Amino acid sequence: GAGVSQSPRYKVAKRGQDVALRCDPISGHVSLFWYQQALGQGPEFLTYFQNEAQLDKSGLPSDRFFAERPEGSVSTLKIQRTQQEDSAVYLCASSIGQGGNSPLHFGNGTRLTVT
Amino acid sequence: KNEVEQSPQNLTAQEGEFITINCSYSVGISALHWLQQHPGGGIVSLFMLSSGKKKHGRLIATINIQEKHSSLHITASHPRDSAVYICAGAFKAAGNKLTFGGGTRVLVKP
Repeated sequence: GAGVSQSPRYKVAKRGQDVALRCDPISGHVSLFWYQQALGQGPEFLTYFQNEAQLDKSGLPSDRFFAERPEGSVSTLKIQRTQQEDSAVYLCASSIGQGGNSPLHFGNGTRLTVT
Repeated sequence: KNEVEQSPQNLTAQEGEFITINCSYSVGISALHWLQQHPGGGIVSLFMLSSGKKKHGRLIATINIQEKHSSLHITASHPRDSAVYICAGAFKAAGNKLTFGGGTRVLVKP
């Protein structure tokens, strides 16, 4: 596809379950970002990949959050033992350049609801 | 600390009015992004700029590096411009990862 694709679009999980969120960036894009957006708030940085290297994971809120991009394209954000405070929209963005120095392309996000 | 502040938080305008949204940031950035998010929708990149001014249709973005300030202007506003507008800075000291402002919720009434 032409844009950034995220799946699933919606995810409902019971507290304590593990979830995996997928991001397919635009082909050839070097940088990939994950953001968490709580209701009514701006996006908050989670982690950043340059190709397969995870250069910054300082925004991951706890060790229950884990992200990978093993072949430098598709990325997965995994949340273990989900808690209600994990409920948010998880956004993925990619860019052709490094870091935030080139235009970003966002996916539509995955809305996670933890019950 | 890398910070991005936007004002106002909320803005209501009548169709046709000129709208200005402001963004201030704390330290040196390599680029500033303006993004648009419609209710329930994804985020669309409007502009990326590091100096001067850019224009696309009825949207104009300016940045003043010395004052660490950027503005987004919407001319002849239309109800379809109703959205949340977010500025984000790529901070050099943070490896150019983006830090987002809190967003400005714009409502344009017909």
